[in-house]
Amino acid sequence: DTGVSQNPRHKITKRGQNVTFRCDPISEHNRLYWYRQTLGQGPEFLTYFQNEAQLEKSRLLSDRFSAERPKGSFSTLEIQRTEQGDSAMYLCASRQGSNTGELFFGEGSRLTVL
Amino acid sequence: AQSVTQLDSQVPVFEEAPVELRCNYSSSVSVYLFWYVQYPNQGLQLLLKYLSGSTLVESINGFEAEFNKSQTSFHLRKPSVHISDTAEYFCAVSDRGSTLGRLYFGRGTQLTVWP
Repeated sequence: DTGVSQNPRHKITKRGQNVTFRCDPISEHNRLYWYRQTLGQGPEFLTYFQNEAQLEKSRLLSDRFSAERPKGSFSTLEIQRTEQGDSAMYLCASRQGSNTGELFFGEGSRLTVL
Repeated sequence: AQSVTQLDSQVPVFEEAPVELRCNYSSSVSVYLFWYVQYPNQGLQLLLKYLSGSTLVESINGFEAEFNKSQTSFHLRKPSVHISDTAEYFCAVSDRGSTLGRLYFGRGTQLTVWP
């Protein structure tokens, strides 16, 4: 399967714990995006990487959130000291080339904070 | 900033009936327009997009959408739906002038097709 892969698919954690999600984009894609989707809402932009450089971060990404993309390949999204409001589906997407090219989404990582 | 409004959160229809899913956007700049579809337990997939040229765009599975600049709309239509079209549909826009390619999504419309 050469699609966008996200792990884990589901994560249940207690408030205050740290969690990390991983995204493996399609191999030749240089652009990588993280979005967050809550119940009844559309995806909301979190951050964007072009190769290994993080070029934009949403105001939604508080100090407890950090994302990396070492070597421009896979990416990780870490949430420290989780809060119940962090419960959501975290989506990763990638594309190659221009900003009009198709954006390919993974199936998402669902976080539940108890 | 851009915003997208999908007026209907749920649209139930019977098989073979026509359907229209409405999308309006607000933007101070020129935009590209997209419809994405999410089938149960799957990731979002691009259904169709408007970049330039003809304002009517079509997908391979019979959906079409028309860009109406004066009404700032990009409604999605299909003349005859199938049960397999049951899914959540998201309208999205991105800024033409930005190299970032960030998408702004509506909240989605759940299309349910009944036999």
